[in-house]
Amino acid sequence: EVQLVESGGGLVQPGGSLRLSCAASGFTFGNYAMSWVRQAPGQGLEWVSAISGSGGYTYYSDSVKGRFTISRDSSKDTLYLQMNSLRAEDTALYYCGKDPHYDSSGYYGVIDYWGQGTLVTVSS
Amino acid sequence: EIVMTQSPATLSVSPGERATLSCRASQSVSSNLAWYQQKPGQAPRLLIYGASTRATGIPARFSGSGSGAEFTLTISSLQSEDFAVYYCQQYNNWPPVTFGQGTKVEIK
Repeated sequence: EVQLVESGGGLVQPGGSLRLSCAASGFTFGNYAMSWVRQAPGQGLEWVSAISGSGGYTYYSDSVKGRFTISRDSSKDTLYLQMNSLRAEDTALYYCGKDPHYDSSGYYGVIDYWGQGTLVTVSS
Repeated sequence: EIVMTQSPATLSVSPGERATLSCRASQSVSSNLAWYQQKPGQAPRLLIYGASTRATGIPARFSGSGSGAEFTLTISSLQSEDFAVYYCQQYNNWPPVTFGQGTKVEIK
């Protein structure tokens, strides 16, 4: 059974940093691209970032480019999102998600499994 | 960036009735369109990808159609567990992958 468990969220001041983690199990982690998608309170879904299965390719939305860094550790089956220079508008529930295509170098763009999310609140 | 527009924002439907949700892209996304369902307090769930292919375990009452820039999600006979928010998502031109703003299906 595929499981994704996010952690690392919390309350941080504007300008601060957080590192989110997503522990994966139930599939061969290194063969699938992974994504982060966020949802501000009461709002819709916003794609944030993605990384290929090998980790060699990374992608970002314009709203986080230069501030967030996605990475993965296949020895730990864990996905990360390093978030720096946080702003109030980054406040959201952050979900990690698994891509359905078996391809260590590609990114399909669909999410077939989602974690339950970790809440990031940026406020002074 | 491709903008996805869903209509209506809210759809009031009685149990057992058909629900038809629309999604329009600002430019062609071919058939690279997915639909997700989200219930309160839960993560989204993949329903449809490739515009019309049901994801694993999704009941046959959910169907997707369309290509290019116009898409439809149809729920043939609404069950109580289907009342939720539905999002479309394009993955043809990225980054970024983009979502619609959602359609809430509520009990009439």
